[in-house]
Amino acid sequence: DAKTTQPTSMDCAEGRAANLPCNHSTISGNEYVYWYRQIHSQGPQYIIHGLKNNETNEMASLIITEDRKSSTLILPHATLRDTAVYYCIVSQETSGSRLTFGEGTQLTVNP
Amino acid sequence: NAGVTQTPKFQVLKTGQSMTLQCAQDMNHEYMSWYRQDPGMGLRLIHYSVGAGITDQGEVPNGYNVSRSTTEDFPLRLLSAAPSQTSVYFCASSSGASGGYEQYFGPGTRLTVT
Repeated sequence: DAKTTQPTSMDCAEGRAANLPCNHSTISGNEYVYWYRQIHSQGPQYIIHGLKNNETNEMASLIITEDRKSSTLILPHATLRDTAVYYCIVSQETSGSRLTFGEGTQLTVNP
Repeated sequence: NAGVTQTPKFQVLKTGQSMTLQCAQDMNHEYMSWYRQDPGMGLRLIHYSVGAGITDQGEVPNGYNVSRSTTEDFPLRLLSAAPSQTSVYFCASSSGASGGYEQYFGPGTRLTVT
């Protein structure tokens, strides 16, 4: 699976959009981009995934560049409850399992 | 649905002791996985299963055994606990390639080995 690079930490003001970047320059054509988050000591929570196209669900939007070498997770209106570690994962797994989690980005939403 | 449940929530073991971490899911998921998370680190895959009777090793399998006799249960056995196994253990399940891409995680078991 391709390696990902994320900033160690980011801050965001409550109510503003949080844009979390992820670089995956070695991604191959059949690898998906997954985003999970982990709120303090809890089990990780799935957010969204994509292959080539941009995706949106009730939690977030995923923007994947045309060359697929990077992506951005967007939380449109961040709340204090969005404070968490966000993991960007690249994997061939269509089952969504057997993922390799890096160290992620600590997002802190400030009041 | 209860989702993915794990017991116990906390456990303290002495070096050399053995124990089994329990994991169960009620979503009829084919795929189940065990991860460990050390302080300040991401999750690392220990073992996984793609169905009853089928298991395979992940990134850090040494010192752990698994079996999958039913779809619902996927216990993780520590054979002879070592301080290096002090960690938080997460179990996860997913419906597999036919059902979707979301992996559901349990609340974790916090294990300390002294």
